[in-house]
Amino acid sequence: DAGVTQSPTHLIKTRGQQVTLRCSPKSGHDTVSWYQQALGQGPQFIFQYYEEEERQRGNFPDRFSGHQFPNYSSELNVNALLLGDSALYLCASSLEAGVLETQYFGPGTRLLVL
Amino acid sequence: AQKVTQAQTEISVVEKEDVTLDCVYETRDTTYYLFWYKQPPSGELVFLIRRNSFDEQNEISGRYSWNFQKSTSSFNFTITASQVVDSAVYFCALSEHAAAGNKLTFGGGTRVLVKP
Repeated sequence: DAGVTQSPTHLIKTRGQQVTLRCSPKSGHDTVSWYQQALGQGPQFIFQYYEEEERQRGNFPDRFSGHQFPNYSSELNVNALLLGDSALYLCASSLEAGVLETQYFGPGTRLLVL
Repeated sequence: AQKVTQAQTEISVVEKEDVTLDCVYETRDTTYYLFWYKQPPSGELVFLIRRNSFDEQNEISGRYSWNFQKSTSSFNFTITASQVVDSAVYFCALSEHAAAGNKLTFGGGTRVLVKP
């Protein structure tokens, strides 16, 4: 049973660039959530996708956008990167947004913005 | 707005000692779930336990146990007979019932260091 997978594992970008992170959900899951975890802090919710639509969004600027594909995989895009975007980006999958199901996390993508 | 507070930033114990992690939450919803996740140095968040707001029965699962008290909005977690492999950061999280999503709100985490 494949768990949540994310790519790439590490990424280095410079300020102003754009980045795309990818996530494949756990087998059988249809909902994908993205979180940002700065060093030494708890994860912060970015947004959640279900049925290819953004269902819920946290307090993140429009520079953060996403997409969900028909196979339930998802992408997180960040435009005009800032130094403060350096963080661990975690993807989580679950069954059906709106239901209190457990979210299972992937290994994360470590993004460093120079 | 929902909020989770983990007052302990770091706990250091010797192997085989018990470790109790505190978690206090705030929510205006009557239906919600509470979770504990473990984050080892590799970075992946590992799901440990879940408790819904309607069930205050405390349980034990292997070396893990939890104490959920709605009256004090607390959801404490205990590791019995700690092992070196338990060294990690532990996060308490809250998910409210929402028709349009089930986002998790995390506390700041408690780093547990188990020394041999």
